[in-house]
Amino acid sequence: GAGVSQSPRYKVAKRGQDVALRCDPISGHVSLFWYQQALGQGPEFLTYFQNEAQLDKSGLPSDRFFAERPEGSVSTLKIQRTQQEDSAVYLCASSLAAGGSEQFFGPGTRLTVL
Amino acid sequence: QKEVEQNSGPLSVPEGAIASLNCTYSDRGSQSFFWYRQYSGKSPELIMSIYSNGDKEDGRFTAQLNKASQYVSLLIRDSQPSDSATYLCAVSSDYKLSFGAGTTVTVRA
Repeated sequence: GAGVSQSPRYKVAKRGQDVALRCDPISGHVSLFWYQQALGQGPEFLTYFQNEAQLDKSGLPSDRFFAERPEGSVSTLKIQRTQQEDSAVYLCASSLAAGGSEQFFGPGTRLTVL
Repeated sequence: QKEVEQNSGPLSVPEGAIASLNCTYSDRGSQSFFWYRQYSGKSPELIMSIYSNGDKEDGRFTAQLNKASQYVSLLIRDSQPSDSATYLCAVSSDYKLSFGAGTTVTVRA
């Protein structure tokens, strides 16, 4: 079956621009996660959705970061007024159940802020 | 102190040998433990999950968990060049995963 998909795969933004990153989870998966991965590091948690409810946004670095999942399926991570330190790979993952279970990652979006 | 620590690597092993990867974690409330494989430029791929103390085998991979020692390991038997990748240890006490920085494994032919 289809896995997690993300778009765009690559995004180059000028400092100060707004960007929107899309995640389409595995069909039927209740939980959706966003992670940020810097070069040479493991992914860092950003936010968690259970269906359409955002239950945890404690990992979002600043109020410039905003995520939504309005219909409990596709999710969008938006970054306003991008800064160079936002350059990273943004990974989306989904899992079948609510709560802790196996998470499956999409291919990621590599964001470069110039 | 980071929540999840892994061997810094890189780890170089000859083809056919056993690669041994180690991971320690700080949160005693952790319940779920995972190993992900990440090829260069790709996203993490789940290869093993383990939830209770002891060993779990899947093909050439064996995960070992010791909650008392807060330690989880991954053994790769009969290592192949295609096993060359970064291996990420991930730990969860609720829903979110905490990752180590990864150990890069190179299998030399």
